Amino acid sequence: DAGITQSPRHKVTETGTPVTLRCHQTENHRYMYWYRQDPGHGLRLIHYSYGVKDTDKGEVSDGYSVSRSKTEDFLLTLESATSSQTSVYFCAIGPTTNEKLFFGSGTQLSVL
Amino acid sequence: QKEVEQDPGPLSVPEGAIVSLNCTYSNSAFQYFMWYRQYSRKGPELLMYTYSSGNKEDGRFTAQVDKSSKYISLFIRDSQPSDSATYLCAMSEGTGGFKTIFGAGTRLFVKA
Repeated sequence: DAGITQSPRHKVTETGTPVTLRCHQTENHRYMYWYRQDPGHGLRLIHYSYGVKDTDKGEVSDGYSVSRSKTEDFLLTLESATSSQTSVYFCAIGPTTNEKLFFGSGTQLSVL
Repeated sequence: QKEVEQDPGPLSVPEGAIVSLNCTYSNSAFQYFMWYRQYSRKGPELLMYTYSSGNKEDGRFTAQVDKSSKYISLFIRDSQPSDSATYLCAMSEGTGGFKTIFGAGTRLFVKA
């Protein structure tokens, strides 16, 4: 998967607990993205980063925060998980501002 | 109304058939059109990437864009069981990957 590692691959947590998902890349790409994928909705952008410490909101950012302290790592945090955040989360990277995205294998998150 | 509409299927065809997958869109500013293939429990992988209108061919795959009708298609010739996957269309105005809009995906089953 284009040098992208997501961890954990599966996570079950309880409502109200904090959760952090990690994306690690070995491609040295500038742009990194977090998406969620839900049936009937396709992929929706949560947050993205265009450099170390440079991040911005996507379409469905409420309830999520991100951090990027190194080029290779992009963290997604759910401060207080809710059942509506049960989803499959994908990290993606891109070399430039063009539209070619390379995805990780995903994290299946279940919030009970 | 969603910006990008895609029939979720499932679409089931016999091996060797020609498959046609389609998306419609409403934003006339879209210039970049992509098709991603996603196997079960995997991340999407970029399959085809086209700019503006016209056709692009890559092996058994042909991507077609009709901007006047706001309609894009992916054709798969001589379909194989290994083509069984979910196919996601995606499009962008060309302002960067963070503006890419995805369709919900069409599930394809190719029967041996």
